[in-house]
This record gives sequence, structure tokens and C-alpha cells, in this order.
Amino acid sequence: DIVMTQSPLSLPVTPGEPASISCRSSQSLQESNGYNYLDWYLQKPGQSPQLLIYLGSIRASGVPDRFSGSGSGTDFTLKISRVEAEDVGVYYCMQTLQSPRFTFGQGTKLEIK
Amino acid sequence: EVHLVESGGNLVQPGGSLRLSCAASGFIFNNYWMTWVRQAPGKGLEWVANIKQDGSEKYYVDSVKGRFTISRDNVKNSLNLQMISLRADDTAIYYCARAGNFGRIDYWGQGTRVTVSS
Repeated sequence: DIVMTQSPLSLPVTPGEPASISCRSSQSLQESNGYNYLDWYLQKPGQSPQLLIYLGSIRASGVPDRFSGSGSGTDFTLKISRVEAEDVGVYYCMQTLQSPRFTFGQGTKLEIK
Repeated sequence: EVHLVESGGNLVQPGGSLRLSCAASGFIFNNYWMTWVRQAPGKGLEWVANIKQDGSEKYYVDSVKGRFTISRDNVKNSLNLQMISLRADDTAIYYCARAGNFGRIDYWGQGTRVTVSS
């Protein structure tokens, strides 16, 4: 099974400042088609998770462009260019390479300083 | 608009059984894989099970194999999770979700709470 490891686990950020979350997989998530099978989700307090990014770098519908995903193979990054108060919550990466078996990272809690 | 509404969560004793249901609307149900994801209190997300569009393929996380059964009714647009031999570590919020193209989970329900305790 693929193991997903996120860092940091806690991320205090000042509003307006950038933020970055790392996700590493125990094996490459890149298929021969060039796609990286890595998603990012945000779970805001008291809410269900929501899809932010899929295939490593494609923003889901309605996701603000301050969110971006990058990386390839085993190393991936979610960046928020300028954090807003509404961005607080727990961010999860998830591999879909072994679809239909999925694996989530442990989660990274973003909080406002 | 896509809607996924779970039901069936409850307090159950260890060793007991429970059946969760999810009513889907706003999309062509039998075009999509469907998923159950759970979240134990204060913990992260854990994928539980997936079922193919026609129900012919089912996949489970190792910890629930042999105890949980995922099923779907494409006439009633519903997804189910039959759980037996429940354990304390099955205590969680269970989310019904839709798996879109490339496996991404693009819609989630609000979740239903399962508590396994004596």
C-alpha cells in the first residue's frame, strides 16, 4: 500500500502571507500518461471535506486561484499565495494511483496567527 | 445540484450491526463509482470502500474486509454500507461520496455518526 506523509502537521499563518504544505508518497504517483494521481482536500471546521486540486495541479471547479498544486513523482506541494481567514481547516492529500483504493495523508491543520 | 444525504448512523454495542444508507440526487448515479470515507473522532480521513457503477467490483480497506459490505441500488439512486461485528475503532463519522474521473472525490455528503460502545 502507498503511504502518504504530510508536513507540517500544524501550520500557523498570518493573513495575507503565503503557506505551503508538503505531501510525500512512498512510491511514485506518476502514470505513464504523465499524470500524477494526487488530490488535495480541505476540511473546514465542522464541514465535510471539499476537493481543491486533482491530478496534482488541476484546480477543482470554484476553487480560488490563490490555491495551486505542484510536484511530480513522490513529492507534492499545495501552496496558498495569500492566506485568508476562510482558508482555516485541515488539508489532506490523497493518492488515487491505486484507484479504486485510496490513501489519505495525516492532514495538516492550518490556523490563523 | 449534486446532493448526497447519509442516514442510519447510531449508537451500537461492540459486536453489533448497522446499515448506513446514502440517497443521491442531482446526477446520473449509475455513471459513477461511489465511495465511503470515515473519520474517527479527532482523527484524519480514512477511505473505507468503493463500488463500481454497476456494482460488479467492490474494494475495501483491510481493516473492514469481511465485516463491511458496500452495495448500491441504481434504481433508487442509493448507496449502502452494511456493517457487522462492529468494534470500538469503527466509531467515526461516515461520509458518502462520489468518485469522479481519475478517482477524485468530487462530492461529499454531510456524514452520519456511528458510535460503537457498550
